[in-house]
Amino acid sequence: GQQVMQIPQYQHVQEGEDFTTYCNSSTTLSNIQWYKQRPGGHPVFLIQLVKSGEVKKQKRLTFQFGEAKKNSSLHITATQTTDVGTYFCALNAGNNRKLIWGLGTSLAVNP
Amino acid sequence: DTEVTQTPKHLVMGMTNKKSLKCEQHMGHRAMYWYKQKAKKPPELMFVYSYEKLSINESVPSRFSPECPNSSLLNLHLHALQPEDSALYLCASSQEGGLDEQFFGPGTRLTVL
Repeated sequence: GQQVMQIPQYQHVQEGEDFTTYCNSSTTLSNIQWYKQRPGGHPVFLIQLVKSGEVKKQKRLTFQFGEAKKNSSLHITATQTTDVGTYFCALNAGNNRKLIWGLGTSLAVNP
Repeated sequence: DTEVTQTPKHLVMGMTNKKSLKCEQHMGHRAMYWYKQKAKKPPELMFVYSYEKLSINESVPSRFSPECPNSSLLNLHLHALQPEDSALYLCASSQEGGLDEQFFGPGTRLTVL
C-alpha cells in the first residue's frame, strides 16, 4: 500500500531561524495537502499542491512539490512563536476518497 | 459560514454507557468524515460519508456507529467503549471528497473510564 514518510519528527528552533519539514511517498501522487495543528487544536488546511514542480508561497511559508510528484516540503522563513504546532502532510490515495497522513513534524520555537 | 461545529467538547463515559457525538456544517459540503486522533499522532480515518451514504468504513469496531441524518449533520454513536478508545474525535467535511481540502471541527475529547 501507499506509504508516506515525514521528517523530522521534532524540531526545536530559535525564533528567527528557518524550518523545513519533508514528506516523501513511495508512489507518484495525484496531489498533496499540508495541515497545521496547534497544541490543543484541530488540523487546519494550509495548501494543496497538484502540479509537478509546483511552488506556492504564503507569507513566510513556502511549499514545494517535487518534479516526480513523490515528495514535498514546507519551509518557514524566520520562524515566530505563532508557528508552533505540528505540521502534517496528507496524500491523496488512488481511490480519491481518503487521505494518507504523514506522522507530522512537531515544531517548537524558543523566543 | 466556514465552520464545522462539534458537540460536546469533552465527554467522560463509563464502559457501559451509550453516548453520541454530533457534528454540523453549513458549507454545503457533500463529504463528511470521522477521525480518531491519539496524542502526538496523525488523525486516523474512521468513516467517510459521501452524499449522505457511508462510503468508507476503515474496519472500525461495531461499538462505534455512524449516522448521517442529512447533508449537514453527522453523528457518532458510542456504546460499550473501552479505555483505549479514549482520544480526540474529529469531524471534518469537504466539498465533494477525495481531492478537496478538509475542514475540521474542534473535536470532542473523549475519556472512557
